[in-house]
Amino acid sequence: EVQLVESGGGVLQPGGSLRLSCAASGFTFDDYAMHWVRQAPGKGLEWVSLISGDGNSTYYAESVKGRFTVSRDNSRNSLYLQMDSLTTEDTAFYYCAKDVMGQPGPHWGQGTLVTVSS
Amino acid sequence: QSVLTQPPSVSAAPGQKVTIPCSGNSSNIGNNYVSWYQQLPGTAPKLLIYDNNKRPSGIPDRFSGSKSGTSATLGITGLQTGDEADYYCGTRDSRLSAGVFGGGTKLTVL
Repeated sequence: EVQLVESGGGVLQPGGSLRLSCAASGFTFDDYAMHWVRQAPGKGLEWVSLISGDGNSTYYAESVKGRFTVSRDNSRNSLYLQMDSLTTEDTAFYYCAKDVMGQPGPHWGQGTLVTVSS
Repeated sequence: QSVLTQPPSVSAAPGQKVTIPCSGNSSNIGNNYVSWYQQLPGTAPKLLIYDNNKRPSGIPDRFSGSKSGTSATLGITGLQTGDEADYYCGTRDSRLSAGVFGGGTKLTVL
């Protein structure tokens, strides 16, 4: 059974940094690209980032480019999102999702909440 | 302002059919596959449709997807109260080299 479990969310002040993790199991992790998607409370979905299975290709939404860095450790079946220079606009639930044909697929984590507040 | 455009809300009676449109342009829907997601309150999104019209295993055939030009449509037949949720379209934008979603449509089953 495919499982994705995010962790690392929390409350922090503007300008701070945070690293989210996504632990994957139940599939051959390095065969799949992985996405990060976020959702501000009461708002819609926002695609954040994509990383290829081998980690050599990464893509970002304009809103996070230059501040967020996606990475993966295939030996640990883990996906990461390093978030720097956080603003209140980054407050959201952050989900990791397994790719299917270039899009977030049928397997998502439960989400982890990041709250940026002064 | 989302890259893909969806109506904020749609409604229909139980047992009826509803369609949810999603509009984009040539850099996104026009040249990429479209996915559709259902999100029930307090839960993670669930993939309903991928590759414009394919259903993952376990998704009933009451849910269908189609695409024409720069627009896509999600169809739901035999509406049930359990279908009340937010629905999102998503695709890749080749110009942005990024994924994009619609703003979401809230379905009310009256």
